[in-house]
Amino acid sequence: DVKVTQSSRYLVKRTGEKVFLECVQDMDHENMFWYRQDPGLGLRLIYFSYDVKMKEKGDIPEGYSVSREKKERFSLILESASTNQTSMYLCASSFIDYSNQPQHFGDGTRLSIL
Amino acid sequence: QKEVEQNSGPLSVPEGAIASLNCTYSDRGSQSFFWYRQYSGKSPELIMSIYSNGDKEDGRFTAQLNKASQYVSLLIRDSQPSDSATYLCAVSGGDMRFGAGTRLTVKP
Repeated sequence: DVKVTQSSRYLVKRTGEKVFLECVQDMDHENMFWYRQDPGLGLRLIYFSYDVKMKEKGDIPEGYSVSREKKERFSLILESASTNQTSMYLCASSFIDYSNQPQHFGDGTRLSIL
Repeated sequence: QKEVEQNSGPLSVPEGAIASLNCTYSDRGSQSFFWYRQYSGKSPELIMSIYSNGDKEDGRFTAQLNKASQYVSLLIRDSQPSDSATYLCAVSGGDMRFGAGTRLTVKP
């Protein structure tokens, strides 16, 4: 089975802090994704990566950055956390031909910014 | 903008009934279609994939695809209270787009 592991299930941070969310997958997937999910807005893509050290902006990249130093690990960084970044964050991965391959999700991180 | 539309619900059905969930999409170049189930507070879980027109059955679940009408549906037969969840439709044709989900409640 595909295993996508996110480092924290719940996280509480303060406004202005730099926040790191970590994601690791064990299926040798080339593609990795970060989404946020808010009530009524569905899943929104923040960033994705199709290879080590490669990254592409999604629909809502502002206020976020990412890092992919190893194939299995994809990190989401909130440079200076703000209250409007309170959300559920979901990491996903898939094989390179992701137009035909499903994405597999981690358990999610519920992040609260106070 | 490529869009995936789902009725947000809630859709309520009695236990044992057939639940029918619908999804329409705007990109005619879409090639792959997925249904995810998401329990409250949990992450989406893949339950069905469909790539060609017609029906695909897996246990109590049937996915139906009509590319000409740009329509994909999920039928759940003999619905159980444990099927109560939000169902996300995902459509892929170079990038993957998710619908906002339909909340299904199965009442005992």
